[in-house]
Amino acid sequence: AQSVSQHNHHVILSEAASLELGCNYSYGGTVNLFWYVQYPGQHLQLLLKYFSGDPLVKGIKGFEAEFIKSKFSFNLRKPSVQWSDTAEYFCAVGNNDMRFGAGTRLTVKP
Amino acid sequence: NAGVTQTPKFQVLKTGQSMTLQCAQDMNHNSMYWYRQDPGMGLRLIYYSASEGTTDKGEVPNGYNVSRLNKREFSLRLESAAPSQTSVYFCASSEYEVPPYNEQFFGPGTRLTVL
Repeated sequence: AQSVSQHNHHVILSEAASLELGCNYSYGGTVNLFWYVQYPGQHLQLLLKYFSGDPLVKGIKGFEAEFIKSKFSFNLRKPSVQWSDTAEYFCAVGNNDMRFGAGTRLTVKP
Repeated sequence: NAGVTQTPKFQVLKTGQSMTLQCAQDMNHNSMYWYRQDPGMGLRLIYYSASEGTTDKGEVPNGYNVSRLNKREFSLRLESAAPSQTSVYFCASSEYEVPPYNEQFFGPGTRLTVL
């Protein structure tokens, strides 16, 4: 059965700290991977996606993620977080049958 | 261009009542989806419609029905609401069901409480 695991439930960082959020997946088909973000009071929006090609993908707002096939991972990174990055982050895998992780709440302290 | 819209924003029901959540998109997308979001569980797919005239079950379809009314609209119906259906419901759409066009665009959500 396909599934997505996000091991960090709540991460608290100070501004300018580096961020890495873990995502591991189990999926039987062609892997299409996504990171979505949900800012407080807003709906989900896409940060970045991976379908094929370069396993290091860059998204909006300075985020990037690396697909490591051998580790079934798609971790999200940002070198220097800002207070405005405070949000919940969801990893997802699939096509129509999209599976989302439980989410990681990121709090950035000013 | 409003994107994906959902009505209502909030709803309180009593156990056993029925209701329909409405979703519409103005992006001319082919595929539409209904999710529920519960604390600590992320989003779980209830039903989806890959194209007008088709619907398929997702991960948690029990207790729900859907109707793809036309290309723009996809409704979710709770026939007999139960407290376990208390959740935030999100509708989403995508241009097609296959990559690279399957990025999903989400609506603002409906917060449903069943007493």
